[in-house]
Amino acid sequence: EAQVTQNPRYLITVTGKKLTVTCSQNMNHEYMSWYRQDPGLGLRQIYYSMNVEVTDKGDVPEGYKVSRKEKRNFPLILESPSPNQTSLYFCASSLRSLAGGNEQFFGPGTRLTVL
Amino acid sequence: AQSVTQLGSHVSVSEGALVLLRCNYSSSVPPYLFWYVQYPNQGLQLLLKYTSAATLVKGINGFEAEFKKSETSFHLTKPSAHMSDAAEYFCAVSRMEYGNKLVFGAGTILRVKS
Repeated sequence: EAQVTQNPRYLITVTGKKLTVTCSQNMNHEYMSWYRQDPGLGLRQIYYSMNVEVTDKGDVPEGYKVSRKEKRNFPLILESPSPNQTSLYFCASSLRSLAGGNEQFFGPGTRLTVL
Repeated sequence: AQSVTQLGSHVSVSEGALVLLRCNYSSSVPPYLFWYVQYPNQGLQLLLKYTSAATLVKGINGFEAEFKKSETSFHLTKPSAHMSDAAEYFCAVSRMEYGNKLVFGAGTILRVKS
């Protein structure tokens, strides 16, 4: 089954404790992206990757890191989480298109609480 | 910069009534437009997308949307609401200059009353 998986689905942590949220897709997509969802703000892009070893900042990258060592995986790293990073996080993937317009496939989400 | 405005953070309709969720975009160039749905505790699922092939786009679950360039709108409709349509709906745009990036509206929560 074609899908995007994320782990963990739920995470409660404390300020400053490094964490990683994993994301994996089995559709051989070049493009992967991380979004955060906050009430009243919709989804905002954190980081994206156009292909292996190619990553770039989205609209709200502060406090986050990513890596793309393999095509299928795109982990999100919070080196020193803070309470303002409490949010619902989504990973997404799609075929790459310089013109846009491709459907993005979303993972089930990771609900993160930073105390 | 492009932006997406969804009018109404909450919409409530009776079962069997027309569903109308509004989306306006700001762009001097017609973008690609999408509607996604998010059911409770799930990820986003594509309902439909506009890519300039036809102004009236039909999607899954009986939803459709009409692209109106003169009004810069892409409203989502369904003739008859079902209880299972209760969810949050997001309008999103992408443009060539931004590659695959999606810019989302704030979302509209649809409530269906029995």
